[in-house]
Amino acid sequence: AQSVAQPEDQVNVAEGNPLTVKCTYSVSGNPYLFWYVQYPNRGLQFLLKYITGDNLVKGSYGFEAEFNKSQTSFHLKKPSALVSDSALYFCAVRERGNAGNMLTFGGGTRLMVKP
Amino acid sequence: NAGVMQNPRHLVRRRGQEARLRCSPMKGHSHVYWYRQLPEEGLKFMVYLQKENIIDESGMPKERFSAEFPKEGPSILRIQQVVRGDSAAYFCASSPGALRVSSGNTIYFGEGSWLTVV
Repeated sequence: AQSVAQPEDQVNVAEGNPLTVKCTYSVSGNPYLFWYVQYPNRGLQFLLKYITGDNLVKGSYGFEAEFNKSQTSFHLKKPSALVSDSALYFCAVRERGNAGNMLTFGGGTRLMVKP
Repeated sequence: NAGVMQNPRHLVRRRGQEARLRCSPMKGHSHVYWYRQLPEEGLKFMVYLQKENIIDESGMPKERFSAEFPKEGPSILRIQQVVRGDSAAYFCASSPGALRVSSGNTIYFGEGSWLTVV
């Protein structure tokens, strides 16, 4: 079984400061990892994914995430937060070889960026 | 290339009525997934369908909920005899038909359908 944990319900940062949204996962084998963002009353938007290769993945809107196999983590980061980054962020995992292609999502983390 | 299209975006139903949510996948995608997001909760998987087949319905409630993805037309998530607890956002997603387990296919989401049961 695969699972994802986002330990923080909410993260508060000041505009211009770096931000980190944490994600840890559990799969039997090797993972595919994803981050999605949800703005109020909108659908999920794809931010980035890790499949293989470089552990540091760069995505949309200046976000990046670092895959750490030993810590089973895939934290989302941005060097300088914007007020417009305020949204709900979801981490997701799919086990490689899962032919069902089903993503398992974490509970989400609300990011609040204050001016 | 249009994205995943869901309609209606907002739906209000009285208790006991039926709700039908439609999802048209991205062009060229033949796999559809439905997720439910309850207020203040994360996304929960409901069902995974291919054309004319239900692949995985492990997340579907045993009663009142059904889903289909016919050969022609959109995927339909149907909720019979709705109750207040069904009020949620329902998200559809799609992925390309040719699954390759090494590819790390990304699934793409629609904007969601917000169901309110009064």
